Amino acid sequence: SQQGEEDPQALSIQEGENATMNCSYKTSINNLQWYRQNSGRGLVHLILIRSNEREKHSGRLRVTLDTSKKSSSLLITASRAADTASYFCAPWGGGADGLTFGKGTHLIIQP
Amino acid sequence: GAGVSQSPSNKVTEKGKDVELRCDPISGHTALYWYRQSLGQGLEFLIYFQGNSAPDKSGLPSDRFSAERTGGSVSTLTIQRTQQEDSAVYLCASSLGGLNEQFFGPGTRLTVL
Repeated sequence: SQQGEEDPQALSIQEGENATMNCSYKTSINNLQWYRQNSGRGLVHLILIRSNEREKHSGRLRVTLDTSKKSSSLLITASRAADTASYFCAPWGGGADGLTFGKGTHLIIQP
Repeated sequence: GAGVSQSPSNKVTEKGKDVELRCDPISGHTALYWYRQSLGQGLEFLIYFQGNSAPDKSGLPSDRFSAERTGGSVSTLTIQRTQQEDSAVYLCASSLGGLNEQFFGPGTRLTVL
């Protein structure tokens, strides 16, 4: 399995603003998944984008994937205090392989 | 519907004891994964079950770790002769199949004294 690297490591914005975080990876993938982990809570799946997709939306979330650059971005629009969490990307190559998370982007939404 | 459930939610044990962690995947999910997350560390993949197939055990950190999945559903992760470095949150996830999103359980926080 390969590990995605999230950037920035920390991001603090005002409530209502948009938050963008990026993910880079090294080898080819079948899909890339984004997860959120609130302090003291479990991992919540946010969105999965497959290697043949370029953009995907889910509510206030927008994910892009550029396989030529081996990168993905997660945009959260109109941020809310409840969006405060760590966000992880998980590039997945397939097979009998689990996900590997990096250190994530720690997002803080200021009220 | 019910998500992935894990038990116990917390387990404190003494060094050298055996522990058994349980995972109930989402009904109908054929793939089941075990991970652990140590304090300040990322997610470490341990083992993957697909249906009733024999799992690849190469990700298990030592031969003290074993896992089984009975009837293609419930799974148990057993750690024998626990060590302090085994302290972590053990997470289970399930999916419809290998190419689909994984849904995580709340985890079992294991503390080895």
